[in-house]
Amino acid sequence: DAKTTQPPSMDCAEGRAANLPCNHSTISGNEYVYWYRQIHSQGPQYIIHGLKNNETNEMASLIITEDRKSSTLILPHATLRDTAVYYCIVRVAVGDAGGTSYGKLTFGQGTILTVHP
Amino acid sequence: SAVISQKPSRDICQRGTSLTIQCQVDSQVTMMFWYRQQPGQSLTLIATANQGSEATYESGFVIDKFPISRPNLTFSTLTVSNMSPEDSSIYLCSVQSQSGNQPQHFGDGTRLSIL
Repeated sequence: DAKTTQPPSMDCAEGRAANLPCNHSTISGNEYVYWYRQIHSQGPQYIIHGLKNNETNEMASLIITEDRKSSTLILPHATLRDTAVYYCIVRVAVGDAGGTSYGKLTFGQGTILTVHP
Repeated sequence: SAVISQKPSRDICQRGTSLTIQCQVDSQVTMMFWYRQQPGQSLTLIATANQGSEATYESGFVIDKFPISRPNLTFSTLTVSNMSPEDSSIYLCSVQSQSGNQPQHFGDGTRLSIL
């Protein structure tokens, strides 16, 4: 699986948008970009994932560059409860008639996002 | 998404002993995984629990130290054997459903301290 590079830490003011970057310059065509976060004392929480199109759900938006070498996770209105470690992960997913096979979910060090009042 | 329950949620154990951690899912899942998170570190995959066959271990992890069972599609156990203080970590169960485009989900883990 391709590796990712994230800044070790970021700050954001409450109510503002938090934009978390991720570089994955060696990503291959069948690798998806996944974002998870881990709030203290909890297991990782799935946020969003995408292949090449931008994606949005109730938690966040994922913007993937056209060359797929980088992406940005956007939390549109950050709250204090969004303070967490955010992990960007690339993961293989291959589908065939028998279903979908998934590669391993390999965690890097992530970005510590601190949302302050 | 699947609801994952781990037992115990935390424990303090004596060195040289073994502890079995249980992972129960509220729905049938295709794949179950066990991760370790050492203090201040990221998650590391220990093994993939395979139903009806031996688990698939990652480099650096062996069956004698971390025996795993998976008797059905909703349950798995991880045993940490002959524990030492270096085994003090959070151990997390994770599941992947094959249906649709479901992401991999995680339990809240078992916090293990070895004295």
